[in-house]
Amino acid sequence: QVQLQQSGAELAKPGSSVKISCKASGYTFTSYAMHWIKQTTGQALEWTGYIAPGSGGTKYNEKFKGKATLTVDKSSSTAYMQLSSLTPVDTAVYYCARSRPGYNYFDYWGQGVMVTVSS
Amino acid sequence: DIQMTQSPSFLSASVGDRVTINCKASQNINKYLDWYQQKLGEAPKLLIYNTNSLHTGIPSRFSGSGSGTDFTLTISSLQPEDVATYFCLQHNSGWTFGGGTKLELK
Repeated sequence: QVQLQQSGAELAKPGSSVKISCKASGYTFTSYAMHWIKQTTGQALEWTGYIAPGSGGTKYNEKFKGKATLTVDKSSSTAYMQLSSLTPVDTAVYYCARSRPGYNYFDYWGQGVMVTVSS
Repeated sequence: DIQMTQSPSFLSASVGDRVTINCKASQNINKYLDWYQQKLGEAPKLLIYNTNSLHTGIPSRFSGSGSGTDFTLTISSLQPEDVATYFCLQHNSGWTFGGGTKLELK
């Protein structure tokens, strides 16, 4: 069965970076795009960007350019999102979710990673 | 950018009620509108994609309709396990979520 297993909660200081992961199983990793979605405590959801694991091609929400960097390790079927220059505004739960090329809806999601930015 | 306006923000209904939730896009998004259910402490789960296609394993009491800019999620007979927050998502141009509808039992 399809599973997206995300890494554990992160506590980071302002100005630092974090790198969170999403390990895929149960399907061909390179056949689906991997998206990242931010959810703040007010429950608002924002699409951050996606990566095509096969090619490494990326597309970012303009708002997150320079903030988020998406990469993959095909050998371990793992997607990563690095968040840099952290501020308290980056405090949120971050989900990974996959989509089939050409279909663009998110059919499976990871369990989410809580990132807390605090001094 | 496309904006998605979801209504109502909060909804209280009884078991067995017919429930409708609406999403309005700021411009034409064709059929590219999905509905997700998020229970407390869990990740969102896909219910309906491309306006009216039911995702695998989703009960048939959930249905979707609409086109262009106006879309509706309907739960034909509310069940206790349907208590959750519901989000719409457009993916016609980029990806934009609605603000969510919190559904509780009366």
